[in-house]
Amino acid sequence: AQSVTQLGSHVSVSEGALVLLRCNYSSSVPPYLFWYVQYPNQGLQLLLKYTSAATLVKGINGFEAEFKKSETSFHLTKPSAHMSDAAEYFCAVSLSTGNQFYFGTGTSLTVIP
Amino acid sequence: DAGITQSPRHKVTETGTPVTLRCHQTENHRYMYWYRQDPGHGLRLIHYSYGVKDTDKGEVSDGYSVSRSKTEDFLLTLESATSSQTSVYFCAISTRGFTGELFFGEGSRLTVL
Repeated sequence: AQSVTQLGSHVSVSEGALVLLRCNYSSSVPPYLFWYVQYPNQGLQLLLKYTSAATLVKGINGFEAEFKKSETSFHLTKPSAHMSDAAEYFCAVSLSTGNQFYFGTGTSLTVIP
Repeated sequence: DAGITQSPRHKVTETGTPVTLRCHQTENHRYMYWYRQDPGHGLRLIHYSYGVKDTDKGEVSDGYSVSRSKTEDFLLTLESATSSQTSVYFCAISTRGFTGELFFGEGSRLTVL
């Protein structure tokens, strides 16, 4: 079975500091990997996705993620946190042979002024 | 923004009553999904549709049914609501099934007393 693990349900960073949100997955075949962001009382929206092209993926709002096959990881980073980055972040994985997305349990990011 | 409308956005009902949530899209996307979001569980797939009258179960389908009689509408029905179905329900659409980006609606918050 596939699974997605997000380490740290809550992460706090100071404004201007590095943001690092961790995501590890289990998959026996090459996966498709996604990061979504959810602002309060809204649906999820795509930040970025990995679909077997470049391993370093750039997304919206200055976020990027690196696919590391050897570590089965797809961590999300942003060099400098902004107050507007405060939200819930979800990692998701799917397979070309599968019939669903597997979502992590989410990481709530707090940005401290 | 993707043209996805969920209704109702908020509903309070009593145990044992039927409830129908509606998802309407203006994007003409083939794939539509119903997810529920609960703290500590991330998003879990209830049912999905890959075309008019073509639906399949997700990982938490017990107690739910769906119908899709038109491309633009995907209905989720709780035949007899239970307190365990108190949740936030999200509709999503995509063009590429389980390998492409999901576009989410704003959610329907259901409380079953």
